[in-house]
Amino acid sequence: SQQGEEDPQALSIQEGENATMNCSYKTSINNLQWYRQNSGRGLVHLILIRSNEREKHSGRLRVTLDTSKKSSSLLITASRAADTASYFCATGSDTGNQFYFGTGTSLTVIP
Amino acid sequence: KAGVTQTPRYLIKTRGQQVTLSCSPISGHRSVSWYQQTPGQGLQFLFEYFSETQRNKGNFPGRFSGRQFSNSRSEMNVSTLELGDSALYLCASSPGRTSGGDEQFFGPGTRLTVL
Repeated sequence: SQQGEEDPQALSIQEGENATMNCSYKTSINNLQWYRQNSGRGLVHLILIRSNEREKHSGRLRVTLDTSKKSSSLLITASRAADTASYFCATGSDTGNQFYFGTGTSLTVIP
Repeated sequence: KAGVTQTPRYLIKTRGQQVTLSCSPISGHRSVSWYQQTPGQGLQFLFEYFSETQRNKGNFPGRFSGRQFSNSRSEMNVSTLELGDSALYLCASSPGRTSGGDEQFFGPGTRLTVL
């Protein structure tokens, strides 16, 4: 399966702390994207990192990509209760918008 | 710009029936992808349509089909429904500019329950 895997499956932190979640995948990729999903709703795109990039920032988000290890990490700094959601990584190939999603990390930020 | 819309939002069907779901992408977007989300299997790619042609296809049986119209709106059809087809069906649109994958914008999903 080309599906990625996020680690940990669940994470609970206090508001203000940083949250780090990891994604591992199996095949070569063109890009990797991170998404957030609030309970039972559609996904919200957070950040896209291409295979020739190593790190990318967007606001309180920092994403790294290590293609040699086939892994990526998402860091959310100074977490807020509103960050409570499931986070997914999705890997894209060269053949269009065919993305394989990981199993997700459920993040709970306690106020 | 209006976001991605999906209709209906909720649907209840019985085994053996068929169902059609609709997705209207963001104006100007030419790529529409469909995903199935279940608690057990997570998010799984169904297919992608670009300029009215199926460009990519996931590993789903032929009961799952789709099409895209000239205005980029897309429909997904599931025939001979099974209990296991109960899921949240998500549609995502993207500009389709790059062959290597764009940022995707997701709709709210259609919750299908098969009884």
